[in-house]
Amino acid sequence: NAGVTQTPKFRILKIGQSMTLQCTQDMNHNYMYWYRQDPGMGLKLIYYSVGAGITDKGEVPNGYNVSRSTTEDFPLRLELAAPSQTSVYFCATKQSYEQYFGPGTRLTVT
Amino acid sequence: AQSVAQPEDQVNVAEGNPLTVKCTYSVSGNPYLFWYVQYPNRGLQFLLKYITGDNLVKGSYGFEAEFNKSQTSFHLKKPSALVSDSALYFCAVRDAGNFNKFYFGSGTKLNVKP
Repeated sequence: NAGVTQTPKFRILKIGQSMTLQCTQDMNHNYMYWYRQDPGMGLKLIYYSVGAGITDKGEVPNGYNVSRSTTEDFPLRLELAAPSQTSVYFCATKQSYEQYFGPGTRLTVT
Repeated sequence: AQSVAQPEDQVNVAEGNPLTVKCTYSVSGNPYLFWYVQYPNRGLQFLLKYITGDNLVKGSYGFEAEFNKSQTSFHLKKPSALVSDSALYFCAVRDAGNFNKFYFGSGTKLNVKP
């Protein structure tokens, strides 16, 4: 089992560019999450999904979009990148109360 | 609103000594509390949870946590620290109104010196 995989590991974007952060899981978990981690700030929830076709906003959804067409995949879309979106992004799944995190994507917007 | 606070940015302890990483919470209703650990350049890993029952919960790697309702605290403990325990530790709480959402603390860096 690969668990939760995220691509790319690193990315540098110019202001105004768009990109999609990929997240895939092979654990057949219904719940999936996107968080961002800023230094000294802990994790903030961006979006989450309780199953294929169902998504909802977290604490900090502005500037992001998600879709969940399959149980396995939960991509995060940045449409117009801004420096404030420089962060480390983590995807996670949840089974019962426990969350399983991917290795993260480090994104820099300049 | 739900939240957790980790009052210490960093905790330093000598190997073999007991360690405590502090967490306080604010939540309406019964709290569902969690501890996660993050090693460098890795995602978070689940350590333990408090749902109900005994105030002392045991988790992975010899860690335990003590739930104290009167002090609204959920401190992480280990009787004897290892150098390999050095990492970033996060406390988290489940949203009382939306069970699908979780709130994380700002993290505490644990340094265990040989």
